[in-house]
Amino acid sequence: GENVEQHPSTLSVQEGDSAVIKCTYSDSASNYFPWYKQELGKGPQLIIDIRSNVGEKKDQRIAVTLNKTAKHFSLHITETQPEDSAVYFCAASIDTGFQKLVFGTGTRLLVSP
Amino acid sequence: NAGVMQNPRHLVRRRGQEARLRCSPMKGHSHVYWYRQLPEEGLKFMVYLQKENIIDESGMPKERFSAEFPKEGPSILRIQQVVRGDSAAYFCASSPGSSNEQFFGPGTRLTVL
Repeated sequence: GENVEQHPSTLSVQEGDSAVIKCTYSDSASNYFPWYKQELGKGPQLIIDIRSNVGEKKDQRIAVTLNKTAKHFSLHITETQPEDSAVYFCAASIDTGFQKLVFGTGTRLLVSP
Repeated sequence: NAGVMQNPRHLVRRRGQEARLRCSPMKGHSHVYWYRQLPEEGLKFMVYLQKENIIDESGMPKERFSAEFPKEGPSILRIQQVVRGDSAAYFCASSPGSSNEQFFGPGTRLTVL
C-alpha cells in the first residue's frame, strides 16, 4: 500500500522567513496530494491541494510543488507569520472511487516573532 | 454553513466499557470518513461510509470496532470493550462526493483508564 514520509519533523523559523516541508510517496498511482494544517486541539484544516496533472499550485503565501518522476511534493510558505505556527500534514491518495488519504507523520512549524 | 460536528469532544471510559463517537457531516455532504490519530502521529484511515452503506472498512480493526451512517442522524463509530490502546483522537471528515476534498471535524479525544 501507499506510504508517505514527511520531513522535517520540526521546523523553527523567524517571522518573515520561508518554510519548506517535503514529502515522498511510494505508490506511483497516487494522484491527489492535499496539505493540512492542524492547530492544537483542533481538526486538520485543508490549506492547499494538488492533483497529478499539475506541477505547481499557489495560493497567496502558500505554494505546493509536485515531482511525479521523483514521487515527492513540497509545501512552501513565504513571509511566515506567528499564526502559521501549527502542525502540518501532507497526504497522498489514489482515486479508486474515493480518496483514501494516507498521511505523513507531520511537521511542527514554529514561527518566532 | 456549519462545519463538520463531532461529539463528544472528550470522552473518558474505563477498560471494558463501550465508546460511541458521533459525527454530523457538513450540510449537503453524504460521504463520511473516520480517521484515528495516535499521539505525535499522523492520521490513519479507518472507514468510509455513504448513507446506509459501508464502502471501505479496510482500516478498521477486525474486532470491537464498528461504524454506521444511517439514513437519518449522525454517523456513529462504536468501540466495544475498550482497551488502553484505543486511547487516541478520532476524527471524522465529510465530502460532497467521493473524489472531493475532505473537511475534518474537531475530533473526539478518547481516554481509556
